Amino acid sequence: NAGVTQTPKFQVLKTGQSMTLQCAQDMNHEYMSWYRQDPGMGLRLIHYSVGAGITDQGEVPNGYNVSRSTTEDFPLRLLSAAPSQTSVYFCASSNSNYGYTFGSGTRLTVV
Amino acid sequence: QKEVEQDPGPLSVPEGAIVSLNCTYSNSAFQYFMWYRQYSRKGPELLMYTYSSGNKEDGRFTAQVDKSSKYISLFIRDSQPSDSATYLCAMSVGSGNTGKLIFGQGTTLQVKP
Repeated sequence: NAGVTQTPKFQVLKTGQSMTLQCAQDMNHEYMSWYRQDPGMGLRLIHYSVGAGITDQGEVPNGYNVSRSTTEDFPLRLLSAAPSQTSVYFCASSNSNYGYTFGSGTRLTVV
Repeated sequence: QKEVEQDPGPLSVPEGAIVSLNCTYSNSAFQYFMWYRQYSRKGPELLMYTYSSGNKEDGRFTAQVDKSSKYISLFIRDSQPSDSATYLCAMSVGSGNTGKLIFGQGTTLQVKP
C-alpha cells in the first residue's frame, strides 16, 4: 500500500509559469484535500473534494485549480506561478471519520 | 481572528516531563477533533482522533475535548526525545468528515535528554 503519493517532491518555477502538482491515493478514499504550509501559518486548505466530480474551495483557493475525474487522483494546478505561492504543498485523503492520511509533500519555490 | 488558535511555542521540556498542548476554536460547529504530529520535512501523521467532548487515551497520549469552552488539549506523559516534533490540532465541521479540515498553527516541541 503506497498510501498518498505526491509528485514531484521538489520544484522550482519562474514567475508566470504553470504547473501541476500530482496526488494519487490507492486506498479508495472518498475525500481528498490540498493544503499549503507556510512558517507560522500551519496548514491552510486550498481546495478539497468529497468525491469524484465534486470539488470546492478552501481558505486560500486563489491562483489554484483542481479537478477530480477519478477517485484516485486529485491534481492541483498553478495557473500562473507567483512568489507568494512558494510553500510546501500537502495532499491528504480520508474515507470516513478517522482523520486524514497525508502525502510527503511538494516543496515549491517560485523565483 | 483564525477559527483555530494554537500557541506556536517553541516548547522545550526535559525527558520524562508531562507535556500539555492546547488549542482554542471559535466555530461551535466543529465536532471532530484531531491531533497530528509532524517531524521535520515530513508530512503530518494522525496521532489522536476524538468525536465531540470527552477524553481519549492511547498509550502515553491523552486527548481532551471541552466543547463548552471550545478548548482541546493533548497530554504527553513520560515525554521522550523522539516526541520532538511539531504538533498540529485539526478540526472538522459538521456531522461527518466533510473534507474540510481546519488546522491550528502548530506547536513545536523539543524534548531534551
